[in-house]
This record gives sequence, structure tokens and C-alpha cells, in this order.
Amino acid sequence: TQLLEQSPQFLSIQEGENLTVYCNSSSVFSSLQWYRQEPGEGPVLLVTVVTGGEVKKLKRLTFQFGDARKDSSLHITAAQPGDTGLYLCAGDNDYKLSFGAGTTVTVRA
Amino acid sequence: DAMVIQNPRYQVTQFGKPVTLSCSQTLNHNVMYWYQQKSSQAPKLLFHYYDKDFNNEADTPDNFQSRRPNTSFCFLDIRSPGLGDAAMYLCATSTGRRRVPPETQYFGPGTRLLVL
Repeated sequence: TQLLEQSPQFLSIQEGENLTVYCNSSSVFSSLQWYRQEPGEGPVLLVTVVTGGEVKKLKRLTFQFGDARKDSSLHITAAQPGDTGLYLCAGDNDYKLSFGAGTTVTVRA
Repeated sequence: DAMVIQNPRYQVTQFGKPVTLSCSQTLNHNVMYWYQQKSSQAPKLLFHYYDKDFNNEADTPDNFQSRRPNTSFCFLDIRSPGLGDAAMYLCATSTGRRRVPPETQYFGPGTRLLVL
């Protein structure tokens, strides 16, 4: 079983602050995906990173894939209340996904 | 526009009373997955269908069964729900074809199950 560890488990910040969520594994993944899940809804894909060292930006969100393809990070700049949710990283395991435990992010207005 | 539909959104059942959750998709995807998610935890894969082939995860209890009568529909049956089975149940789909970039899993909104 390929395990993904996310940290921190919970994060509460004030609107306008920056935050970083980490996703680490001892296994190499061909790709990592980041999902955001809002309360009472299913996860929605934010981004897929494929190449070691890759950096992708999605408006205020920056995703990085480690050179060894074992870890990833998500950085949010100037967080807004709409960024509140559960952030999940998931490693590609053939056509199945191995999910991390998630980081619950709360952005206070 | 709904692509993965789950019904009902909320289900209340009694301890030991069988319950069925349903999922339908308009994407014509080959693979349909069922996940169990407990509060603020990662989704846990229970099983999936690749076309008609059923694939059970090793640690999925026998209490959980699934049916896929056709491409569009997939059902999760809980034969004798216990209090510990209260959770959000998520259905997801994907094409199942390996390609670059990796395929996406599309999730439904989930069914929240309450066991009394």
C-alpha cells in the first residue's frame, strides 16, 4: 500500500494570509493530484502534477511536485474565505488513487 | 450538466436494516468506484467496477456489496448497517484508460448515511 501523509491536519488562518499544505510519501508516484472538498460535497480536482520538479499555478494556488516525485506542496497566497475546505492529495496508482488523510483549511473573514 | 449523480443525498436507516445507495453517470466511463469517507478523513476505496469486472479492496467488510447492472448505474448495498458504517459514501468514475496526463476521477456529491 502506498501511503501519503499530509500536514498539517488542520489549518485556521485569517483572510489575506498565506498557507502551505504538504503531502509526503516514501513511494514514487507517476503523478499526484490535488482535490478540494467542500462540506457536504464530493472532491473536485484542482490540479495534476506529473513531472518531477514541476510547478503549476492556478490563480492564487501554486502546486509543486518534488524532484523525486515523492512529495508535493500546495501554497495559497492571500487566502480568502472561499478557499475553506478539505484539501486532499492523491497519488496515481494505475487507475486507482491513494489518498492522503487531508488538510482541513479554514479561512476566517 | 450533472455528470455523476448520487441518490439520495441523505439516507437514514436503522441498525441492521439493509440499505442501498445509488450512483449514475452520464460520462460513459468504464470505471465506477465506491468510497467511504468519515468526518474530515480521506476517502477510503471500498471497491470498483472496471466495466463488468468487480474489484474488491482487501479490507472491505463482507457487509458491503455492489452491483453494476449497466454502464450508467452502480449500487452500493449495505446488508446489515452498524453504527460504525455511518459516513459519507462517494461514487466516482474514470475512463480507466492509462494515458498522459493521468486521468481524472469525477466524484458525485455523496450520500450521507446515518444509522440509528
